[in-house]
Amino acid sequence: GAGVSQSPSNKVTEKGKDVELRCDPISGHTALYWYRQSLGQGLEFLIYFQGNSAPDKSGLPSDRFSAERTGGSVSTLTIQRTQQEDSAVYLCASSLGGRNTEAFFGQGTRLTVV
Amino acid sequence: GDSVTQMEGPVTLSEEAFLTINCTYTATGYPSLFWYVQYPGEGLQLLLKATKADDKGSNKGFEATYRKETTSFHLEKGSVQVSDSAVYFCALRTGANNLFFGTGTRLTVIP
Repeated sequence: GAGVSQSPSNKVTEKGKDVELRCDPISGHTALYWYRQSLGQGLEFLIYFQGNSAPDKSGLPSDRFSAERTGGSVSTLTIQRTQQEDSAVYLCASSLGGRNTEAFFGQGTRLTVV
Repeated sequence: GDSVTQMEGPVTLSEEAFLTINCTYTATGYPSLFWYVQYPGEGLQLLLKATKADDKGSNKGFEATYRKETTSFHLEKGSVQVSDSAVYFCALRTGANNLFFGTGTRLTVIP
C-alpha cells in the first residue's frame, strides 16, 4: 500500500476484555516498530521487529502485552485483560533495513478502556 | 542503554522568534539522529536527519547538527511561523536498528 495502515482507527473496549491491533507496513519494509502515546506524553517504545523476529521486546509493559509478525509483513499487537491504564494511542512504524533510513508512521489506533 | 533526552515543553514563542529545542543522547556505537514532527491532528513525519558526526540536517528552515563531542542534536529555526506549531520529537537509531524517541516538545507560535 501507499503507507502504513493501522486498524481499527478507534477501539472502545470494556475492562478485562482482550483486544487486537493490526499494522500493515509499507511493502518491502523489514523493520517494524510499535509505540504507545498516552495523552500529553511522548512515544513509549514497545517492541521492534526485524523480519518476523523481535530483537527487542523490552518495552512491553507487562505479560498482558504480546505481538507477532507473520510473513515479514503484517503485525498484530494483542493486549489481554485490558486495564484502564492501557488507554492510549498505539502507533506503528515501518522502515527499510539500515540505521539511516526513515521510519514511516501509521495514523494510530486510539484505544479506550472503559 | 540507548536513550534520548529532550527539552521539556511546552514552548510558546511569538511569530518570527528564534527557536531552539535541545536534544542530547546516550548511545553505544554511532547512532543516526532524527527530528520528527507531529502537526495537530496528523501522524508523525520525518523533519530532518543526520547520520554521522558533524552532519547538518535541514528542512523547512529547521536545522540540527550532529555533535558527537557533546552528544547533542539541537533543533533550531531562525524565524518561526504560526504553521510551525506542533510537537517535535528527537530520535536515535541504534546500530541494532532500534528507534528510540524523546518525550516530545510542544511548540506553540502566536501571531
